[in-house]
Amino acid sequence: EVQVVDSGGGLVQPGGSLRLSCAASGFTFSDAWMSWVRQAPGKGLEWVGRITTTTESETTGYAGPVKGRFTISRDDSKNMVYLQMNSLRIEDTAIYYCVTDRSTTATIKLSYWGQGTLVTVSS
Amino acid sequence: QVVVSQEPSLTVSPGGAVTLTCGFNTGAVTSGHYPFWFQQRPGQAPTTLIYDTSKRHSWTPARFSGSLLGGKAALTLSGAQPEDEAEYYCSLSYSGAYVFGTGTKVTVL
Repeated sequence: EVQVVDSGGGLVQPGGSLRLSCAASGFTFSDAWMSWVRQAPGKGLEWVGRITTTTESETTGYAGPVKGRFTISRDDSKNMVYLQMNSLRIEDTAIYYCVTDRSTTATIKLSYWGQGTLVTVSS
Repeated sequence: QVVVSQEPSLTVSPGGAVTLTCGFNTGAVTSGHYPFWFQQRPGQAPTTLIYDTSKRHSWTPARFSGSLLGGKAALTLSGAQPEDEAEYYCSLSYSGAYVFGTGTKVTVL
């Protein structure tokens, strides 16, 4: 059974930093890209970014509003993916979801979502 | 700026049918945009219903179907149930990113 569990949210001041974590299981993690998606209060879904596999050089891609401030990384030995968020702004306040992305060995693209972790940026 | 548009709200009668659409402001949606459809109930994480235009997951009820219709991606709900009342989002692949639609609130009434 595929499971995705995200964590690490909390209250942070504008300009501060926070690192979110995502633990995945039930599939061959090293074969899978992973993405982060966020949802501001009362708003729609917004793709944040993704990381490819180690074989593909752990290439990352980001949405415009977070490029240069957010960094996604992974640790295949722990089946973990991380979202490092720096220079946080009030408009980054959202529930952040970790979600499985494309894989060469499983049909999991955008199919398994974490429960979400709330990040609140406020003074 | 790429915008993916959906109907803001739709109402369907119990047992009835409704079609939601998902369109690009840049042109027609094709299978190469790999349309996805998600359902989100209040306070819950999204659930993926449809991937790659028309493929259902094992957990997706058969009353949901995906297609391309008139240059847009479409999600058709046939035989609506009370539990189908939710927000529905599409997503399209574009230039290496995923772009989510604006969402459709479906009311079963």
